[in-house]
Amino acid sequence: AQKVTQAQTEISVVEKEDVTLDCVYETRDTTYYLFWYKQPPSGELVFLIRRNSFDEQNEISGRYSWNFQKSTSSFNFTITASQVVDSAVYFCALSESNNNDMRFGAGTRLTVKP
Amino acid sequence: DVKVTQSSRYLVKRTGEKVFLECVQDMDHENMFWYRQDPGLGLRLIYFSYDVKMKEKGDIPEGYSVSREKKERFSLILESASTNQTSMYLCASRPGGITDTQYFGPGTRLTVL
Repeated sequence: AQKVTQAQTEISVVEKEDVTLDCVYETRDTTYYLFWYKQPPSGELVFLIRRNSFDEQNEISGRYSWNFQKSTSSFNFTITASQVVDSAVYFCALSESNNNDMRFGAGTRLTVKP
Repeated sequence: DVKVTQSSRYLVKRTGEKVFLECVQDMDHENMFWYRQDPGLGLRLIYFSYDVKMKEKGDIPEGYSVSREKKERFSLILESASTNQTSMYLCASRPGGITDTQYFGPGTRLTVL
């Protein structure tokens, strides 16, 4: 079975603070893929990043960075110098090589206050 | 850009009504998905389709059926709507296998009274 846990239900920060969204996953598969999506108030999920289980290199894209650690089964997402436009619900998701679907975490609602 | 559209953003129906939620994608994707999103539960897969007329049950198919007569269109059907089906419904499409990302529509917020 596959499972994704996002323990933080809601996070509130003030603009320019750094914030980390946690994601812990469970899988027995050796080949799997991890994703992060952003859901702004408009409702449409927007793809942010995909990582496969063989690539543990951390990735940085502008103010966004991702820390993938197989040893702790975690794929955490950090926003540096947060902005009001970062306010959204963020979902972590997992796909296994022998499953056609994707498992989502419960999501973390991030509020960035001016 | 991939475009996934859903027929309605907001829908209000009565208990017992038959409800159709339509989803259309314009990028010739093989796979299409229906999820429902509820607070604290994330997205849960209802059904998915990997080809025309092909479908597979997801985690919560009870009370729902689907139809995929054309590649670009994937319909979710609530045969007899109930209040516990009040939710946000999200459609997604994916070009190929699990390494590909899913592209989501804007969602339909359904209220069943």
